Amino acid sequence: DGGITQSPKYLFRKEGQNVTLSCEQNLNHDAMYWYRQDPGQGLRLIYYSQIVNDFQKGDIAEGYSVSREKKESFPLTVTSAQKNPTAFYLCACGGGGLGTEAFFGQGTRLTVV
Amino acid sequence: QKEVEQDPGPLSVPEGAIVSLNCTYSNSAFQYFMWYRQYSRKGPELLMYTYSSGNKEDGRFTAQVDKSSKYISLFIRDSQPSDSATYLCAMRPGTSGSRLTFGEGTQLTVNP
Repeated sequence: DGGITQSPKYLFRKEGQNVTLSCEQNLNHDAMYWYRQDPGQGLRLIYYSQIVNDFQKGDIAEGYSVSREKKESFPLTVTSAQKNPTAFYLCACGGGGLGTEAFFGQGTRLTVV
Repeated sequence: QKEVEQDPGPLSVPEGAIVSLNCTYSNSAFQYFMWYRQYSRKGPELLMYTYSSGNKEDGRFTAQVDKSSKYISLFIRDSQPSDSATYLCAMRPGTSGSRLTFGEGTQLTVNP
């Protein structure tokens, strides 16, 4: 089945640690996105990529990094520089005629312990 | 002031009611308007997608865009308990590669 998969579903991070969230899609979409969702704030864009080997910062990129070496994959690293990383992280993909975030993954809940 | 305003609710209705969910926006460049449904602890799913002004209907769902008032609505007819979720509006300008701006989301509960 075609879709977009995020892993892990739950992730715990110690202070000072970097962690990487995985996002894989087999929908052949060019564009991929990372969002952060916090209560009362809706979805905020962290990074996005419209083509392999290229990506742009979103509204809240500080403390995060990404790579786009393959069309199917867009991993997000939450670095120790991110001071408040506890949140629900969502990956999305889209493109073609729709030109928008057509599909979202099921999310990764990151908690700092 | 936020570019997109959406009442977070919560909104509680009896089964069978007509539900009206709304967003207002300030950026006149927005051309594409979406509604997403998000169940608890899940990712959003695209429900409706409209371009510019007008209405779009899909089963029990109707999306309405009034660009002159900068106001969009989602109507749900004959609401069901399975419609209980958070509904997010989102919109973007017409330029290629433009970003999507989301509303905060409205939490809806449909009571049997």
